Amino acid sequence: QLQLQESGPGLVKPSETLSLTCAVSGGSISGSGYYWGWIRQPPGKGLEWIATIYHGGTTYYHPSLKSRVTISVDTSNSQFSLKLSSVTAADTAVYYCARHLAETSSSGVAINCFDYWGQGTLVTVSS
Amino acid sequence: DIQMTQSPSSLSASVGDRVSITCRAGQSISSFLNWYQQKPGRAPKLLIYSASSLQSGVPSRFSGSGSGTDFTLTISSLQPEDFATYYCQQSYSSPHTFGQGTNLEIK
Repeated sequence: QLQLQESGPGLVKPSETLSLTCAVSGGSISGSGYYWGWIRQPPGKGLEWIATIYHGGTTYYHPSLKSRVTISVDTSNSQFSLKLSSVTAADTAVYYCARHLAETSSSGVAINCFDYWGQGTLVTVSS
Repeated sequence: DIQMTQSPSSLSASVGDRVSITCRAGQSISSFLNWYQQKPGRAPKLLIYSASSLQSGVPSRFSGSGSGTDFTLTISSLQPEDFATYYCQQSYSSPHTFGQGTNLEIK
C-alpha cells in the first residue's frame, strides 16, 4: 500500500521560506503516469492545488503561487519537496502531499486525480 | 482558472437517505471531474474519478455522473460513516481547482 508522509517545520516566520518534504513508501516514485503534488487547506476552508512534479522533473505550478513556489523530486530517496518563499499569514494551512495519477486506463478512460494522500501537516506562519 | 461551484454548501440527511450533490464547472471539462470525501482532521479520500469511475475500495453506494459542465455525486443509502465534507475537483486544465465543499450532516 502506497504511503506518503509529510515532514517539515510547523512554524515559519513571515517573509521566510516554508520547506516541506514528502516521503513516498510502499511503491515506486518513478512509475509511468505517476506525478506528485502538493495541495493546501487553510483552517476551516477549502482545498487549493499548489504544484505537481513528474519524476522526470517536469513541473506544473498554480499561476497565483508560481513566483514563490519550487517543487523538486529526489527519486533516489523516494521523496519530493516543496519550498514556498516570502510567506505571510495567508499561507497558514494544512499542507498535503499526494500522488497525482495521470494515465489512461486499460478501458480507455483518461484518469487525472489525486489518488493517495499524506496525512497532512499544519504550517503556521507567525512571528 | 476554471471555477467549480458545488450545491448545496451544506445538507442535512438521515441514515438510509439517498442524497445527491451537484458540481458545476465554469466551462466544459469533458469528464475530468473527481470527487473526494474529507472527514474532520483527515486527508481527503478519492471516491470517484473521471466523473463516474469508482475508486477501488469505495462502497458501491457512491456513484458519479455527468459530463461537460454539470456533475452529480449520489449516495444511494447514507451510512453513519458517510457524514463528511465532499469536494469536486476538475483536472481538465491547470490550475486544477476544487469546489468549495458540501458539508453533509446528520439530521
